Amino acid sequence: DTGVSQNPRHKITKRGQNVTFRCDPISEHNRLYWYRQTLGQGPEFLTYFQNEAQLEKSRLLSDRFSAERPKGSFSTLEIQRTEQGDSAMYLCASSLTPRELTFGSGTRLTVV
Amino acid sequence: QKEVEQNSGPLSVPEGAIASLNCTYSDRGSQSFFWYRQYSGKSPELIMSIYSNGDKEDGRFTAQLNKASQYVSLLIRDSQPSDSATYLCAVTARDDKIIFGKGTRLHILP
Repeated sequence: DTGVSQNPRHKITKRGQNVTFRCDPISEHNRLYWYRQTLGQGPEFLTYFQNEAQLEKSRLLSDRFSAERPKGSFSTLEIQRTEQGDSAMYLCASSLTPRELTFGSGTRLTVV
Repeated sequence: QKEVEQNSGPLSVPEGAIASLNCTYSDRGSQSFFWYRQYSGKSPELIMSIYSNGDKEDGRFTAQLNKASQYVSLLIRDSQPSDSATYLCAVTARDDKIIFGKGTRLHILP
């Protein structure tokens, strides 16, 4: 098992462009979480899945953010019409139960 | 009131001393509590979990939970320079999402 894998590691994009990130969880984990983290802050909850079902999406997220987890395997997080305020580290984590999380290395997004 | 609150620090502790990190949470229905350690530029990693009132010890780490006071703490005994990191408190909310505090920066003084 190679742990939680996130791609790409870094993404630089121009304001207004769309970006998509991918997360491959630990294979037997049925829960998958997305968080956003900025400097000096803790991980901010974005959304989470149990298998392929998206159970909750943060009310702080605008409609520009969408996430999918087809067939309960990997997940994608898309940000449309990126803004400078979207610059952050996007973290994916998976778990077998709603308990201990294993995090991936994250995708660092820079919007210029 | 924020869901999970921590003092952001930095907390400076001499090498070999006990570091004490604190966390309060707002949801009385929370059932699971965690401490994660995050080194600069790295992702969080789980170091302790606690689910019932009282103390839980694992090596140099002790987690303490008081549900009546909505309070969780982490003690690190015999602090080492390698313990210098940000410590994140996390709580499972009623709907099973896991919420993190802002973290406390810990600096162990050699």
